[in-house]
Amino acid sequence: ETGVTQTPRHLVMGMTNKKSLKCEQHLGHNAMYWYKQSAKKPLELMFVYNFKEQTENNSVPSRFSPECPNSSHLFLHLHTLQPEDSALYLCASSQVVRGRARTDTQYFGPGTRLTVL
Amino acid sequence: QKEVEQNSGPLSVPEGAIASLNCTYSDRGSQSFFWYRQYSGKSPELIMFIYSNGDKEDGRFTAQLNKASQYVSLLIRDSQPSDSATYLCAVRYNFNKFYFGSGTKLNVKP
Repeated sequence: ETGVTQTPRHLVMGMTNKKSLKCEQHLGHNAMYWYKQSAKKPLELMFVYNFKEQTENNSVPSRFSPECPNSSHLFLHLHTLQPEDSALYLCASSQVVRGRARTDTQYFGPGTRLTVL
Repeated sequence: QKEVEQNSGPLSVPEGAIASLNCTYSDRGSQSFFWYRQYSGKSPELIMFIYSNGDKEDGRFTAQLNKASQYVSLLIRDSQPSDSATYLCAVRYNFNKFYFGSGTKLNVKP
């Protein structure tokens, strides 16, 4: 596997289900991100992890729960979602280098298309 | 809230022409700027980034940055039908916080 991978690629769940999205990066990066992309809207940054520590929670509802067990893996645990949570969920990673932050670039995984019924 | 504005398009150009995509941002503290291409149903793919005023060229692509005007653009020379996609402008602010525009849809007509 190369780059950033995400599983599953498609997920349909009911409002009472619990599911998890998985992201794995094979780039040796030290930062990972979750984004939400809804139709006609900009990508919304949800969570940021630097060196496995969560550094950003962009006012995301508690029904979304991230987990970063190590710098290569990132999970998004989902429970009691709403239909408006249906979207493309994108994981990204980057290499953060102190003092060279301006060149920090993100690389995205293929995304998980989530449908909440 | 950091705003990143793009014209949603669609921008239609004939094959071989120059496509010009524009982006404005609200926060003068923004540090670096990125252009991504996103095909329908796919994830964003990095084209290039820029952080100094002026032009930066990479193949058929040129990014232009004007921090005084808070404006960044992407020029695509010799546009090809395969360039038809949505182009996302992203702005990096304060370490590793990134803000994205809604994207401009580009159609290159054969």
